[in-house]
Amino acid sequence: QQPVQSPQAVILREGEDAVINCSSSKALYSVHWYRQKHGEAPVFLMILLKGGEQKGHDKISASFNEKKQQSSLYLTASQLSYSGTYFCGTVSNSGYALNFGKGTSLLVTP
Amino acid sequence: NAGVTQTPKFQVLKTGQSMTLQCAQDMNHEYMSWYRQDPGMGLRLIHYSVGAGITDQGEVPNGYNVSRSTTEDFPLRLLSAAPSQTSVYFCASSDMTGGYTFGSGTRLTVV
Repeated sequence: QQPVQSPQAVILREGEDAVINCSSSKALYSVHWYRQKHGEAPVFLMILLKGGEQKGHDKISASFNEKKQQSSLYLTASQLSYSGTYFCGTVSNSGYALNFGKGTSLLVTP
Repeated sequence: NAGVTQTPKFQVLKTGQSMTLQCAQDMNHEYMSWYRQDPGMGLRLIHYSVGAGITDQGEVPNGYNVSRSTTEDFPLRLLSAAPSQTSVYFCASSDMTGGYTFGSGTRLTVV
């Protein structure tokens, strides 16, 4: 039931871009994205609902391809503060449970 | 506005002991969930609730019980603790239209 995330880890220099992918074998109602800093709780970034809409704020945006059950998180002009583990979470059409992927570790270096 | 409050923050149990992890939210959220987080495994759903009196199992429910008698509270009970239940536990809540707000977590060690 867990969605599959890729890559598992990314190392960037400040100012570079990154894409994190999330895919599911189930038809999806929504996709969530969260960021977790070491030793802290996950923090909500954005939610994408069925309909293929793209969302974003600041330099972090995401897309949702409902037909392929895939979502991507785009981080542009990365900053040191972007470092952390990113999780996608999915809610299927058939239920209410939010299931998370195993996470993508992102490290931004000076 | 406290958000989601989890207690305790740390706990050490002996194998076979039982305990309850507390979770309370003050945002009038309908959805509440419990996750466990283990290295390399991400966040795995234990149990969830879509409202008072309604609960359902997630991916890893064995060894855990929940109940939801009020909108605010969603306690997680470990019936007979095992070393495999050593983990960090997060409670989260949502209003069904947006993202989840997470509590600060409970770090549980079973020896």
